[in-house]
Order: sequence, then C-alpha cells, then structure tokens
Amino acid sequence: DAGITQSPRYKITETGRQVTLMCHQTWSHSYMFWYRQDLGHGLRLIYYSAAADITDKGEVPDGYVVSRSKTENFPLTLESATRSQTSVYFCASSATGPAAFFGQGTRLTVV
Amino acid sequence: KQEVTQIPAALSVPEGENLVLNCSFTDSAIYNLQWFRQDPGKGLTSLLLIQSSQREQTSGRLNASLDKSSGRSTLYIAASQPGDSATYLCAVKDDYKLSFGAGTTVTVRA
Repeated sequence: DAGITQSPRYKITETGRQVTLMCHQTWSHSYMFWYRQDLGHGLRLIYYSAAADITDKGEVPDGYVVSRSKTENFPLTLESATRSQTSVYFCASSATGPAAFFGQGTRLTVV
Repeated sequence: KQEVTQIPAALSVPEGENLVLNCSFTDSAIYNLQWFRQDPGKGLTSLLLIQSSQREQTSGRLNASLDKSSGRSTLYIAASQPGDSATYLCAVKDDYKLSFGAGTTVTVRA
C-alpha cells in the first residue's frame, strides 16, 4: 500500500524496557520526522532525517534514538522507557517543499 | 525558534454557521503553511497547503488565507456541519520541519 505506515498502532511497555516504533513510507521522500503529541503541548519534533544516514535532533530528543539505513524506514527507539514518554507518536515524511504526510500514530503507554 | 499560536483553543457553533480559525506565527521566513484536521484518536489529515508566495487556497467549503508579513493565517469553513467537528491544527514549515500550534477543537451542534 502506498503511503506512510506506523507499527505498532498500540503498545504497552514497562518502565526501563527498550521499545522500537517503526515507520515506513513508500514515496521515497527525502525527509522523515518523528513527533510526539501530548495534551497541553501539541506536536513536538523529536528527531528528523534529511536522507539515509543523516539524522538530527529536534525539540525533545532526550531518551530517544533514531536510525535511517534505508530511505523508506525511520525507526524510533526508546532506550529505557520512562512514564514521561507515554504519548502518541507520529511519523511524517515530505519531499523538499511540498506538504508533509503523517502516519496514523502509535499510542504508547509506559507503566 | 518558531512559535505558533492558535486562537481560540475551542469553539462550539450551531450547524450552518461559518467557522473562523486563527493561526499566528512569530518568524515570517516560512516556506509554507499547512492546515490539518485531526479526529479523536486518529492521525493528521492535510486540508490545505499555502505556499509562502500565495495569499490563499480554497478547497470546497474551506478557504485559508496567509499574510506572511504579519505572521497570520485564517481558516474559514463555510456552512459548518456536524461532520466538521474535529481539532484543526496549523503548521508552518521553515526549511524542512513543521512547527505546530496546539490546535482549535471545533464542535458543530446539530
């Protein structure tokens, strides 16, 4: 299917566990992004990538790791999950200039 | 750092009334501005994209204007319907990334 796909859609994990959220896009967009959405804060940028093997920090990167070995994939890893990382995570992609497209989100709960 | 503000935070109107949603941003050096709709528990759906060189964009009952020099955009929704109930997000793009407002939650009463 064309588009941007996130998995899993829902995840419950325990404090201290490592968890990886997956993101896959089929357009070969150069840019990919990870945002988190929290009540009272809106969407905040965690990390972004301008191309394969090029990543950079956004507004709230602490506690997260990303990689981009292939253009179409941009996984986000929480190395040691904390309750403050309970959130809805959105992946997005865009080519230079035009509109950004978002995945359906991953709802992560850390207990 | 780009700051995006949306006013009001929430809006409730009777069906048929026109909606006016406001978005302001602090840095006018933007590439484009995008309006999104988000339904509860769902992802973001792009509604309209206005390039920095444009003044407005229209799609059906939706019209968005952009005044880059004053750092403002307005989304107009004509003849609102209960199906328009959702949260509307404004996002500005500078270089590569989007900066979002907190959104306006709209309720259209039947």
